[in-house]
Amino acid sequence: AQKVTQAQTEISVVEKEDVTLDCVYETRDTTYYLFWYKQPPSGELVFLIRRNSFDEQNEISGRYSWNFQKSTSSFNFTITASQVVDSAVYFCALSEGTNDYKLSFGAGTTVTVRA
Amino acid sequence: KAGVTQTPRYLIKTRGQQVTLSCSPISGHRSVSWYQQTPGQGLQFLFEYFSETQRNKGNFPGRFSGRQFSNSRSEMNVSTLELGDSALYLCASSLGTGTYGYTFGSGTRLTVV
Repeated sequence: AQKVTQAQTEISVVEKEDVTLDCVYETRDTTYYLFWYKQPPSGELVFLIRRNSFDEQNEISGRYSWNFQKSTSSFNFTITASQVVDSAVYFCALSEGTNDYKLSFGAGTTVTVRA
Repeated sequence: KAGVTQTPRYLIKTRGQQVTLSCSPISGHRSVSWYQQTPGQGLQFLFEYFSETQRNKGNFPGRFSGRQFSNSRSEMNVSTLELGDSALYLCASSLGTGTYGYTFGSGTRLTVV
């Protein structure tokens, strides 16, 4: 069963528009960690944000913000005032428990920001 | 602070051959994990090592193996290559658990012909 679902395959926006990426996860563990990574064409996965299951406080970091809701098992990510450099594939990932030592990734959402 | 270094960046091999990929983690990181990324299957976990011990393994055939050295550098080996092994292989290093997050390298692009 898919543990992380990213329903959006592709999103295309014009520069300066906001982009919200959806992520729904599935786990039976009470302790888990959620991540968002960005993969530009170069291939490297770039860490963006991390959240643990005990902290539902939503935050803003620069142009990035996230909305973590345990009640709906969702961990959505928003890019405010998008820029062309934000064009990439974005992955949501889950690390379960304290002895899992691995990430389960969603299928990714391709974001294209047009000038 | 140097990041995660993977070598080589690109590799072309013939079906049936074997290949070894290398990963040097961030200094001080003792955990190294490997992922395979393909267009069809996405990002899939291969295995994870900590202090030279494999702690977790994904659902891959025995042709895929790995090891970690005392300096935390890791290698993964794929024997009897198949066309379907063509992928981007990504290595990630961590202090030890998901608590601290994972830092990825740029990957090795393997093409099997």
